[in-house]
Amino acid sequence: GAVVSQHPSRVICKSGTSVKIECRSLDFQATTMFWYRQFPKQSLMLMATSNEGSKATYEQGVEKDKFLINHASLTLSTLTVTSAHPEDSSFYICSASGGPNNEQFFGPGTRLTVL
Amino acid sequence: AQSVAQPEDQVNVAEGNPLTVKCTYSVSGNPYLFWYVQYPNRGLQFLLKYITGDNLVKGSYGFEAEFNKSQTSFHLKKPSALVSDSALYFCAVRVPGAGTALIFGKGTTLSVSS
Repeated sequence: GAVVSQHPSRVICKSGTSVKIECRSLDFQATTMFWYRQFPKQSLMLMATSNEGSKATYEQGVEKDKFLINHASLTLSTLTVTSAHPEDSSFYICSASGGPNNEQFFGPGTRLTVL
Repeated sequence: AQSVAQPEDQVNVAEGNPLTVKCTYSVSGNPYLFWYVQYPNRGLQFLLKYITGDNLVKGSYGFEAEFNKSQTSFHLKKPSALVSDSALYFCAVRVPGAGTALIFGKGTTLSVSS
């Protein structure tokens, strides 16, 4: 299957700093990328959907000024957690879809810990 | 509202025994159905999917799932569980015509004992 990478895999930061997470589709062009958030032992919660070259669509309750998403190319989307706080600590997973069946392929996730 | 239900938080089976992880859905139209597995601190790995055709779908690592339209279910099964199957399993649906976003169930932790 197609490969999606995320960087970094783990990040620890101080409260008030901003953190950028990259999501890359390595061997296919992703027309759409998704960002999910997962709390311990819970399901994935869709945060936003982004299409290359256009603004992301955020799910209800997700602050767009807090979670900045940029989908600058067909292989790269970034999620920036601005002014991070401890409650933003979570596991963030991206997925990318493309190809004839528009199947979703998931990245390995990024563990964010805000101190 | 569209939803996916995984009624069991945890399923415990002994190695070598058959396993079933349940999933039911409530969506409009004819959904696409998926199963994913997640190991600790890892992303989701695709197991199998049902789009159309044969109701019994075979996937990775010996898993299979049966689509039952009348019961709106898509239970995951394996004839003989392995300790290495222990993980978190997610059922998901995609509603045709509603974009490519997936709706996930809350997940079921499978624990296989030796």
